[in-house]
Amino acid sequence: DTAVSQTPKYLVTQMGNDKSIKCEQNLGHDTMYWYKQDSKKFLKIMFSYNNKELIINETVPNRFSPKSPDKAHLNLHINSLELGDSAVYFCAAQGLETEAFFGQGTRLTVV
Amino acid sequence: AQSVTQLGSHVSVSEGALVLLRCNYSSSVPPYLFWYVQYPNQGLQLLLKYTTGATLVKGINGFEAEFKKSETSFHLTKPSAHMSDAAEYFCAPRNSGNTPLVFGKGTRLSVIA
Repeated sequence: DTAVSQTPKYLVTQMGNDKSIKCEQNLGHDTMYWYKQDSKKFLKIMFSYNNKELIINETVPNRFSPKSPDKAHLNLHINSLELGDSAVYFCAAQGLETEAFFGQGTRLTVV
Repeated sequence: AQSVTQLGSHVSVSEGALVLLRCNYSSSVPPYLFWYVQYPNQGLQLLLKYTTGATLVKGINGFEAEFKKSETSFHLTKPSAHMSDAAEYFCAPRNSGNTPLVFGKGTRLSVIA
């Protein structure tokens, strides 16, 4: 049973489109994150939610909007996709004293 | 806030040789420390972690790391490299509480036969 699952695994779309990535965790952890991994493998925090509330919002274009309908889900919606949005996006769940558990990633390619 | 430096973006070792991947963090507060491994086209897998207690921690696949507070380091070692160890390795400290991991730039490990 996968602890953190993301869908889709691959996403190819045209510039200007709107797309969503879904994330679900079954670990019962209060905190969930979105990270972005660029082409040089650098991982950067985008958003953090704790018990459905946004607690970290790094310098991310407001075309990116996270939504947490409940503690187990954190989705990422992206409007008006740009070429520079191409990256791998990782969802993670984390407990107060634990490591972060990562999903398998969503490889987004904007053409 | 935490920051982390991984020395060497690419390390190459021979099969059977010692692996040493360096990580230094900057904080006056002892953090939680993690090493993750990422195989090509895969997600991040935890190798090992330090939170409290013994400063020498053992992880999966024969890796270990030692937390040295005086040096603010958490270097990753493995006595004998295997071809299957070729991957990207990330050091990631964080503070306690609901704080996110702060990732280093990663070190790509190549193992030569």
